[in-house]
Amino acid sequence: GQQVMQIPQYQHVQEGEDFTTYCNSSTTLSNIQWYKQRPGGHPVFLIQLVKSGEVKKQKRLTFQFGEAKKNSSLHITATQTTDVGTYFCADPTSGTYKYIFGTGTRLKVLA
Amino acid sequence: DAGVIQSPRHEVTEMGQEVTLRCKPISGHNSLFWYRQTMMRGLELLIYFNNNVPIDDSGMPEDRFSAKMPNASFSTLKIQPSEPRDSAVYFCASSPRNTEAFFGQGTRLTVV
Repeated sequence: GQQVMQIPQYQHVQEGEDFTTYCNSSTTLSNIQWYKQRPGGHPVFLIQLVKSGEVKKQKRLTFQFGEAKKNSSLHITATQTTDVGTYFCADPTSGTYKYIFGTGTRLKVLA
Repeated sequence: DAGVIQSPRHEVTEMGQEVTLRCKPISGHNSLFWYRQTMMRGLELLIYFNNNVPIDDSGMPEDRFSAKMPNASFSTLKIQPSEPRDSAVYFCASSPRNTEAFFGQGTRLTVV
């Protein structure tokens, strides 16, 4: 069945270092979404990418959709302690609108 | 709007008991999802409703799990009988078509 894998599973960085998480799908995606879940919280929507090769930025966060629309990445520049949490990519599965979430990358930022 | 509302926030029950989790989606959202989150299995989609109709329940782990959506403003997820391995955080989410999913605060279920 459809799978969305993320790497790495865990990442510890020193505050100020950069961080990247990668999302890979076994099928071609119509679009992809990214969510952040703070410790003890619930997933919160960050962004949606639709076009092949699309790049979007939100302050220190850069999101990219692969040319083949089978992978995506989230890059955080100069991490801060507020970036701590788990980052999920999600496939909204256009047509059925059944949101399949990736395995997640848990980020810990050491001050 | 107050967002997606789930109750209870925490539930501790004994093995074999029936557990009912409740969800009120955001008004106007036509899709509703139930997810289960554990350390081992991550965020699993259990069942998905569209316009109150169950569309895909392939993620429901066993017959012990059932979900209903009697109207557009209410859904339940029931586990009967509950088992310790059902311990997890259960999230309800709702979405207007083709946009983001809005999650509730979740219900932390502990079965002892």
